Amino acid sequence: DVKVTQSSRYLVKRTGEKVFLECVQDMDHENMFWYRQDPGLGLRLIYFSYDVKMKEKGDIPEGYSVSREKKERFSLILESASTNQTSMYLCASSDPRGLFSYNEQFFGPGTRLTVL
Amino acid sequence: ELKVEQNPLFLSMQEGKNYTIYCNYSTTSDRLYWYRQDPGKSLESLFVLLSNGAVKQEGRLMASLDTKARLSTLHITAAVHDLSATYFCAVDRGGNQFYFGTGTSLTVIP
Repeated sequence: DVKVTQSSRYLVKRTGEKVFLECVQDMDHENMFWYRQDPGLGLRLIYFSYDVKMKEKGDIPEGYSVSREKKERFSLILESASTNQTSMYLCASSDPRGLFSYNEQFFGPGTRLTVL
Repeated sequence: ELKVEQNPLFLSMQEGKNYTIYCNYSTTSDRLYWYRQDPGKSLESLFVLLSNGAVKQEGRLMASLDTKARLSTLHITAAVHDLSATYFCAVDRGGNQFYFGTGTSLTVIP
């Protein structure tokens, strides 16, 4: 089974702090994604990565950056946290390779971030 | 702009009843995914629909895809309390980038 883990389930930070959210997957997946989930808005893509050291902006990248130094790890960075970044953050991974690959995304448990 | 619209957004139904959740999307796509999310938990994959006319069934849930109409449905048969959750559809817009609907919160009442 694919396992995607995230470093924290709950996090409370203050405005202006630098925040790191870590995501690790154990299935050698090429693709990794960061989403935020807000009531009534569904999931919105922040950043994604197709390979180590590669990153692409999603729909709402402002105020965020990412890092992928190793294939299994994808970090989301809030350079200066603001209250409007209070949200649930979900990491996902997928792999387009393989005969029976359906590009299905597998999700981690989520990190609920509160910025005060 | 790609839009993925689900309806209804909230659904309260009695056990034993049938109902359908609709997912309309605005772009051409041959792949559509359904996920389930329990309160406080992450998303769990339910169905992967890969072509026009695809139909998948698991237990009391059945999903279908009509790519010409840009419509997917999730049909619930004889609902039970355990099906209470939020259901999301997601469209692959290319490059394995998903665009999610806003979700349908389902409550099954005993």
